[in-house]
Amino acid sequence: GQQVMQIPQYQHVQEGEDFTTYCNSSTTLSNIQWYKQRPGGHPVFLIQLVKSGEVKKQKRLTFQFGEAKKNSSLHITATQTTDVGTYFCAFRGQGAQKLVFGQGTRLTINP
Amino acid sequence: DAGITQSPRHKVTETGTPVTLRCHQTENHRYMYWYRQDPGHGLRLIHYSYGVKDTDKGEVSDGYSVSRSKTEDFLLTLESATSSQTSVYFCAIRIAGQLHEQFFGPGTRLTVL
Repeated sequence: GQQVMQIPQYQHVQEGEDFTTYCNSSTTLSNIQWYKQRPGGHPVFLIQLVKSGEVKKQKRLTFQFGEAKKNSSLHITATQTTDVGTYFCAFRGQGAQKLVFGQGTRLTINP
Repeated sequence: DAGITQSPRHKVTETGTPVTLRCHQTENHRYMYWYRQDPGHGLRLIHYSYGVKDTDKGEVSDGYSVSRSKTEDFLLTLESATSSQTSVYFCAIRIAGQLHEQFFGPGTRLTVL
């Protein structure tokens, strides 16, 4: 079935540096969602993208959906310690009833 | 968090014993999901439910069964627990609407010795 690959698996940055995680699919996706999971916590929905080339911003977070709808990215500008966690992309699979998650990118930050 | 609770929050059990995890929601959402989370695998869907007594398998359903006799409760059962089922289990509900986002419960950490 359809899958998404997330890279990198881990990323360590200095506080204030930027961070980007990528979500790639070999097939066209109808949508992409992003979730954040703090250490010891549960995943929390951040955003959904559905249009080709769509770009959405949430404060320091910028989400993009590729023109071909096969990839997506999450970029954090000037990371803060509150950004620590694992970021997952996910897409709605067949029938829109199920989500398929990427493996996640774990972000750690050196203050 | 959409009124989702999971019980127990932590459990240690032995290989071969039956285990039941409970997910409870208070807002009458139709769709409920069980995931397991393991390092390097992200979140993998075990089973989901689209209504009372209506369930379907996910990608890693072997060794698990589910039941939903009431809208508010979705039970996940390991009939005979194995060490490979040591994991963190998350329940989620789906909010009906345009975004179809899922809200997750706090999780249950299960250790099978």
